[in-house]
Amino acid sequence: DQQVKQNSPSLSVQEGRISILNCDYTNSMFDYFLWYKKYPAEGPTFLISISSIKDKNEDGRFTVFLNKSAKHLSLHIVPSQPGDSAVYFCAAINSGYSTLTFGKGTMLLVSP
Amino acid sequence: KAGVTQTPRYLIKTRGQQVTLSCSPISGHRSVSWYQQTPGQGLQFLFEYFSETQRNKGNFPGRFSGRQFSNSRSEMNVSTLELGDSALYLCASVKTGGGYEQYFGPGTRLTVT
Repeated sequence: DQQVKQNSPSLSVQEGRISILNCDYTNSMFDYFLWYKKYPAEGPTFLISISSIKDKNEDGRFTVFLNKSAKHLSLHIVPSQPGDSAVYFCAAINSGYSTLTFGKGTMLLVSP
Repeated sequence: KAGVTQTPRYLIKTRGQQVTLSCSPISGHRSVSWYQQTPGQGLQFLFEYFSETQRNKGNFPGRFSGRQFSNSRSEMNVSTLELGDSALYLCASVKTGGGYEQYFGPGTRLTVT
């Protein structure tokens, strides 16, 4: 049973436009959410996170939105740059534990 | 500050053999988690160690094991390798008392032939 789902395996966006990556979760005990970016042959790099007590967190070009009632979160990248091309993983955690549950990832391709 | 390091970076083994992978966390981080990444499966949690004790374990067979040393360095071992064990094995460390962000190493690419 997949508790964190990223239903879009890939996404193509033009440079300068907005990229929106989506993530759904089923476990209502998750109370902290993270996004990671991964380039080939490298480990995932932490990007941005959000606590369940918030509905938005912003860091430069990256904004994460959380809709708890829909069990849905999204990562917005504005403006998108070619260097943003990577696989993006959504992850969730129940703060009573210490294990991250990851989605399967979305490959973002930003073309010039 | 040095990041998470993993050795070796690449490994080729034959079915039936065993393998040991090593991970050194960021200095001061006492929690180490291991993940397996295969195409189409994302990152699947293997186990987590904190202060030399296994704190959590994922849904993997007993052929997968690990340990942590007093200096927080961790090893994972896979015995009786199968073709399906071919994957990228990632290690991550967590800052003690510093939130939930995990910092990943570059991974070890294991190929089983």
